[in-house]
Amino acid sequence: DGGITQSPKYLFRKEGQNVTLSCEQNLNHDAMYWYRQDPGQGLRLIYYSQIVNDFQKGDIAEGYSVSREKKESFPLTVTSAQKNPTAFYLCASSIVGGQNTEAFFGQGTRLTVV
Amino acid sequence: QKEVEQNSGPLSVPEGAIASLNCTYSDRGSQSFFWYRQYSGKSPELIMFIYSNGDKEDGRFTAQLNKASQYVSLLIRDSQPSDSATYLCAVTHNDMRFGAGTRLTVKP
Repeated sequence: DGGITQSPKYLFRKEGQNVTLSCEQNLNHDAMYWYRQDPGQGLRLIYYSQIVNDFQKGDIAEGYSVSREKKESFPLTVTSAQKNPTAFYLCASSIVGGQNTEAFFGQGTRLTVV
Repeated sequence: QKEVEQNSGPLSVPEGAIASLNCTYSDRGSQSFFWYRQYSGKSPELIMFIYSNGDKEDGRFTAQLNKASQYVSLLIRDSQPSDSATYLCAVTHNDMRFGAGTRLTVKP
């Protein structure tokens, strides 16, 4: 089955640690996105990528880093510079071009600082 | 900065009524417009998309787009309790930006 997979579902981070969230898709999509969602809020764009080896900052990129070495994979690292990382993180992918660039979402990773 | 604005609600309607959800956007270069539904703790799921001015109907849902006014809306006819969720408006122009969402409650 084609889809987008995020892991882990739940993640706990100690103060000062870097953690990496995984996102893999087998939909052959060129574009991939990372969003952060806080309770009762919408989705805020962290980073996006439209092609391998290239990515762009979104509105809240500070304290985060990404890589796009393969079309299928777009991991997100939450660094110790991100002071309030507790949130629900969503990865999505879509085609590039055309009118229906629907974003397909993974199941999300809930990150908690302990 | 690309802005997508939605009334945060909450919006409450009785079962069988029409629910009206609104969204405005700031980027005049925006190309496609999406409505997603999100249940608590879950990922968003697509309801419908629209890219040309006018109305688009799909079952009980109608999306309306007015690019001159930078406005997109979603009407839900014959609202059901199962429609109770948060509705997210999304706009694309190279990237995809979301509004804060409107929480809808349909009361039996």
